[in-house]
Amino acid sequence: GQQLNQSPQSMFIQEGEDVSMNCTSSSIFNTWLWYKQDPGEGPVLLIALYKAGELTSNGRLTAQFGITRKDSFLNISASIPSDVGIYFCAGQFTGNQFYFGTGTSLTVIP
Amino acid sequence: DADVTQTPRNRITKTGKRIMLECSQTKGHDRMYWYRQDPGLGLRLIYYSFDVKDINKGEISDGYSVSRQAQAKFSLSLESAIPNQTALYFCATSDLGTGRRETQYFGPGTRLLVL
Repeated sequence: GQQLNQSPQSMFIQEGEDVSMNCTSSSIFNTWLWYKQDPGEGPVLLIALYKAGELTSNGRLTAQFGITRKDSFLNISASIPSDVGIYFCAGQFTGNQFYFGTGTSLTVIP
Repeated sequence: DADVTQTPRNRITKTGKRIMLECSQTKGHDRMYWYRQDPGLGLRLIYYSFDVKDINKGEISDGYSVSRQAQAKFSLSLESAIPNQTALYFCATSDLGTGRRETQYFGPGTRLLVL
């Protein structure tokens, strides 16, 4: 099955810094979703994107649907300790299954 | 978000035993999914169901079976558990919204250890 390439695999940043991560696919998608997963918990939806070029924000989080429809980006501004966790991307071509990235592990150093 | 519950949250079993993981949702979503998560790998699809009469295999269905008892309930069974089925299992639900926009919501997961 297809897995999405997500990078970086892990990040260690100082509190207050901005964070960027991305997800790429060999296939075109119509939907990109970004999730955050805390240890021992299920992924929680952060942002949903449905249109190429779309830029959507959720508080300090901003995600973009790449214009090629093969990539997506997530940015976190002014990171805080509670941003720690694993961030996953998911892509879908309408009506088909979702495919997931392997995750970016974020550590925020106070 | 969809209210998706999974039971049990943790389970230890022995090789060869049959076990069932259960998932319930209260949002009336038609679509339900079972995934497994292993360290270093993304979520992988085991089975999915688009409605009560529809069951489809995902990419790693071998060794698993499912039952869609009602719109709100989707169970995953391991007929004869083996150690490499040790993983974190997630149920998810979704519904096609306006413009066929689909968003998945996940349950809290079941941590399974097969000895």
